[in-house]
This record gives sequence, C-alpha cells and structure tokens, in this order.
Amino acid sequence: AQSVTQLGSHVSVSEGALVLLRCNYSSSVPPYLFWYVQYPNQGLQLLLKYTTGATLVKGINGFEAEFKKSETSFHLTKPSAHMSDAAEYFCAVSGSNFGNEKLTFGTGTRLTIIP
Amino acid sequence: DGGITQSPKYLFRKEGQNVTLSCEQNLNHDAMYWYRQDPGQGLRLIYYSQIVNDFQKGDIAEGYSVSREKKESFPLTVTSAQKNPTAFYLCASKARDRVYNEQFFGPGTRLTVL
Repeated sequence: AQSVTQLGSHVSVSEGALVLLRCNYSSSVPPYLFWYVQYPNQGLQLLLKYTTGATLVKGINGFEAEFKKSETSFHLTKPSAHMSDAAEYFCAVSGSNFGNEKLTFGTGTRLTIIP
Repeated sequence: DGGITQSPKYLFRKEGQNVTLSCEQNLNHDAMYWYRQDPGQGLRLIYYSQIVNDFQKGDIAEGYSVSREKKESFPLTVTSAQKNPTAFYLCASKARDRVYNEQFFGPGTRLTVL
C-alpha cells in the first residue's frame, strides 16, 4: 500500500523568496516519486521525478527535490520564487514493480506568490 | 505533435442522464487512466487500462464505466448511478516499457450536473 501526505494545503511566499513544498510518502516497496504542477483548469505537467541513483533531482522551471529515504520525504524547493510559479503542486508515488505502478497522489498544495 | 486530447472541455448534464467523456492519445502508450479531481482531495483513480480490451477498477469506480477497444482511445461514461458527478476529470497515459515512466495528462473535462 502507498500513500502521500502533503503538509500545507496552501503556501504563500514573496516573490524572490525560497519555495519549500513538503511531501512525505509511505510505500511497502522502493518508491518512484513524482512532482506535478497544475495551472487553473488545465491538466498536470511533470516537474521532476525520482527513480534510482542521485537523490537530488533537478526539474523544469528551476525546481528540485531531494529523496530522503530515512525521512520518507521528497520535498520540492526553488531558491527564488517567480510570479509564474503560482499554481497547485501534487506529489505522487508509485511502486517499483510492474503490476504495482498506479500513481497515488497527495491532496495538493496551492502556491501563492506575493508581489 | 504527440499528446492527449480530451473533449469536451466543459460538459453540462441533467440529473439522470448518462454522459461520455472522450480521451484520445497519439503517444503510442499502452496504459491509460481516468482520474477525478475535487477541491482539496487531489486526484482519485476511477479506472485504468494497461492493454487493449482490458481494464481494472480504481479506487472510486462506482457509477462509472469504460471501454478500451483501441489503443488510442479510452472513453469514460458517467452513469446516472454516480451520485455526485460534478467534478474535473483527467485522462492520462503512460508507456509501459519502464515501470518508472511518468504519466502524461490531458487538459481535462469539467462536468457539471444541473
């Protein structure tokens, strides 16, 4: 069984400030982890994913995330927020074997950027 | 350009009516998925299909039905048995050559029951 917890349904940061969106997961098998972004009334777009290997993963739009197995976390960060980062962000986990590859999503974090 | 299309973008239905949402992909992906999105609840899996002519129920399949007669198409029917169908519906697809491949999402259909 898999689950994802995103701490904070709403996060506000000032333009130029650090963005930190938290994600903790639970998985009975080695996980694959994903961050998606959703703009209003649109589908989801992949920001980045962790599969194996390097635990610090870089994605699009300057975002990155670090897989910490001991903390079961996969927090998303960006050093300097931009107005265009305002959106909803979803963390997701899937299993590492065929047949257990459904994505389980967190409930999302809405990011607001303050000018 | 390869991608996933969903139609219509907005759909209105009267209570008691069945309605079918379209999802088409030209990415040559084997697996396709339907999700329902409600405010504050994230995405919940309705049905998924890993190959043509086969599909499985997800977490909230009651009141929905699907078919997978072609690799490119995975339509979702919202039946009158679905008690609260007003929601945003997202279709996704994924290549199955690697288990860690990501899902690609369509633009979504917003269904409103009047």
